[in-house]
Amino acid sequence: GESVGLHLPTLSVQEGDNSIINCAYSNSASDYFIWYKQESGKGPQFIIDIRSNMDKRQGQRVTVLLNKTVKHLSLQIAATQPGDSAVYFCAEANQAGTALIFGKGTTLSVSS
Amino acid sequence: KAGVTQTPRYLIKTRGQQVTLSCSPISGHRSVSWYQQTPGQGLQFLFEYFSETQRNKGNFPGRFSGRQFSNSRSEMNVSTLELGDSALYLCASSFYGLAGEGDEQYFGPGTRLTVT
Repeated sequence: GESVGLHLPTLSVQEGDNSIINCAYSNSASDYFIWYKQESGKGPQFIIDIRSNMDKRQGQRVTVLLNKTVKHLSLQIAATQPGDSAVYFCAEANQAGTALIFGKGTTLSVSS
Repeated sequence: KAGVTQTPRYLIKTRGQQVTLSCSPISGHRSVSWYQQTPGQGLQFLFEYFSETQRNKGNFPGRFSGRQFSNSRSEMNVSTLELGDSALYLCASSFYGLAGEGDEQYFGPGTRLTVT
């Protein structure tokens, strides 16, 4: 079935470094992708999204890159801070646009 | 504006019982989705409601059901609870359901259900 996966379950970086979290998706017809951040004891928090008609989208300290040729999605966090420590999920919308299919998540640990 | 709220935040139930969880979406949002989150399976889609109608359902048994009211508030019910139903149940809302720019899905804090 359709699924979204992540390459690494954990990522450890130093404060101030740039972080890159990767994700592979399987459905080439997927049109909408989102990155979420989940801190302990909280629900997922929207970070940034991208539609399939774009390759790149930038937010505040974050950039999402979409490579449709290899079905790859990445989240880049600039100048990573301890407050960025969390689990990051990529998700794709189902074809009906009514549900999200999530990957397993990458735990980002930022040490100062 | 207020975010998605879920009640209760924590719940302990016994096998065989049933449970009802509640979700209030962000004001103006008409689409409400429910997800189950467990360490083993991650985040899995349960169902989505829009204007009181279920539009999409995930791969869960019929013991899991839901409904949406005219004010967009939603409830989900799990009957005949099993130990494996222990999970964080998340509700998310959006205007129309991931339809376009600006229609992001926002999550509530979840209800932590423990089945003993």
